[in-house]
Amino acid sequence: KNQVEQSPQSLIILEGKNCTLQCNYTVSPFSNLRWYKQDTGRGPVSLTIMTFSENTKSNGRYTATLDADTKQSSLHITASQLSDSASYICVVRLYGNNRLAFGKGNQVVVIP
Amino acid sequence: DGGITQSPKYLFRKEGQNVTLSCEQNLNHDAMYWYRQDPGQGLRLIYYSQIVNDFQKGDIAEGYSVSREKKESFPLTVTSAQKNPTAFYLCASSMGQGADEQFFGPGTRLTVL
Repeated sequence: KNQVEQSPQSLIILEGKNCTLQCNYTVSPFSNLRWYKQDTGRGPVSLTIMTFSENTKSNGRYTATLDADTKQSSLHITASQLSDSASYICVVRLYGNNRLAFGKGNQVVVIP
Repeated sequence: DGGITQSPKYLFRKEGQNVTLSCEQNLNHDAMYWYRQDPGQGLRLIYYSQIVNDFQKGDIAEGYSVSREKKESFPLTVTSAQKNPTAFYLCASSMGQGADEQFFGPGTRLTVL
């Protein structure tokens, strides 16, 4: 069973609209949680990182939240642009052995 | 221009052939990693190396081999023993194997004909 579950698997949004992506994880204890953006055919690029004690982190139009008690994170995209079309991957780092658990990604398509 | 590079971007091979994917970084990172990405699945760790001349198996090492003779380079060989090698391969590096960010290369798409 995957330790990191993301939803929705895919979504289509109109340019200029907001959207929220969800990440639920069972990894415990964890060291940190990152959201990556992966454009089609490219390598992932880190957007945000949060440790256990942080509950929100912003990077421009991207805002990530973390609830360590319920083991949930979200990534909110504000005023979406066409360039936001990508897969967004939630990655949890395990505490102690430094291995990473990857979600399958949220595929976002922004249409004009 | 610092970063991590992978070559080639696209690779085709016939069944039964071994093929080597290149990964180079000029970030002076100690740790390097190889992942495999399949459609609809999360990244899976193949091999990783914390330091030159040392490497460890990841979760799906069967059918793959690596070497780490130089700090900058971590080539991955996909052998004929890998039953389903068609995939997108990603190389990454980090300062150490601690809580540091992993920086990913652009990937190599391998197709077995």
